[in-house]
Amino acid sequence: KQEVTQIPAALSVPEGENLVLNCSFTDSAIYNLQWFRQDPGKGLTSLLLIQSSQREQTSGRLNASLDKSSGRSTLYIAASQPGDSATYLCAVKETTSGSRLTFGEGTQLTVNP
Amino acid sequence: DARVTQTPRDKVTEMGQEVTMRCQPILGHNTVFWYRQTMMQGLELLAYFRNRAPLDDSGMPKDRFSAEMPDATLATLKIQPSEPRDSAVYFCASGLVLGGRSGELFFGEGSRLTVL
Repeated sequence: KQEVTQIPAALSVPEGENLVLNCSFTDSAIYNLQWFRQDPGKGLTSLLLIQSSQREQTSGRLNASLDKSSGRSTLYIAASQPGDSATYLCAVKETTSGSRLTFGEGTQLTVNP
Repeated sequence: DARVTQTPRDKVTEMGQEVTMRCQPILGHNTVFWYRQTMMQGLELLAYFRNRAPLDDSGMPKDRFSAEMPDATLATLKIQPSEPRDSAVYFCASGLVLGGRSGELFFGEGSRLTVL
């Protein structure tokens, strides 16, 4: 059974810092990996999608990398801003179970002004 | 601006009552998911559909939960009878699977259910 772990569970940084969020998964047979952002009381917003054949994806100040063989992905946020404060979730789509997404428990990020 | 629409946003009901949550997926998407989120369990997959056909509902308590897609623009999740342990935020998500290639998943804002 696929298990997805995110470390740290919570992170508090001053504005302007570059930071890295980590995601690891136990079964490397994944189809893709997606990073989401969730604001309190809101739904999930897709940030980046990395297909299994890709190594990284970039969108603005966000960069996500994927190392399938080691079962790891990182989300890099450059020059963090208070508006980046949210919970960040990673989810893997497995090749053996159709379209099922398995989510990590998330990293709660607080960026202090 | 295409988005997944869920109703109701908030629902408070008493134990034993029937609850129906509705979802309008993004037009053109052929895959619909129902997730439940709680503090204790995080996000759990309840059911998903492709081209309106249920593919997996193994995460759903069958005795009280049912999920359907009457047409391509509407997905429903029904709980009957509801119990306090069903209190959670229920998310609908939709995506497009084309030629074996799966794209991003887009989530609705969720339906917050409180069963007293």
